[in-house]
Amino acid sequence: EVQLVQSGAEVKKPGESLKISCKGSGYSFTSYWIGWVRQMPGKGLEWMGIIYPGDSDTRYSPSFQGQVTISADKSISTAYLQWSSLKASDTAMYYCAREWLTWGQGTLVTVSS
Amino acid sequence: DIVMTQTPLSSPVTLGQPASISCRSSQSLVHSDGNTYLSWLQQRPGQPPRLLIYKISNRFSGVPDRFSGSGAGTDFTLKISRVEAEDVGVYYCTQATQFPITFGQGTRLEIK
Repeated sequence: EVQLVQSGAEVKKPGESLKISCKGSGYSFTSYWIGWVRQMPGKGLEWMGIIYPGDSDTRYSPSFQGQVTISADKSISTAYLQWSSLKASDTAMYYCAREWLTWGQGTLVTVSS
Repeated sequence: DIVMTQTPLSSPVTLGQPASISCRSSQSLVHSDGNTYLSWLQQRPGQPPRLLIYKISNRFSGVPDRFSGSGAGTDFTLKISRVEAEDVGVYYCTQATQFPITFGQGTRLEIK
């Protein structure tokens, strides 16, 4: 069964760093793009960026360029989304998706002082 | 960036009746490889999105045949032939023809 399993919910303070993960299984991890999508409370979907684990080719939305870093470790079939300094406005649900075919369950990130 | 505009933003529908959602892109979604990378996603309450339709009209595995997609160029439509209770949620069109990938605002389908 093809699956993307994301890391658990996080509660952080403004200014802290964070790295969340998305582990793929049941398919060739290096052969599909994995994207990250933000959904703020009660809002729509926003595309953040995408990575091709086979060669680490990464593209960012201009809205998120410089704000987050997307990476992947193909040895453990895991993609990552990280922040160096969180803001309250980063509070949202974050989803990973394998070319829209398969979605992770979401990781809720709450940033509050 | 390609802007995706959905109409309506809210659609109250009677069970068993059809529903239709339109999506218009600010420029053609035909890729240089000849494909049109227009997809439709469904997000039920409290759930992650799931793929319904890809490349305009192809139903993804497990998607009921009451869902259909059509269109070309810049104008696309998702139709549900007979709405069921499990279809309640928000529907998004999305294009992957050109980076950055973009989504429509979402259309909320609710039962009258």
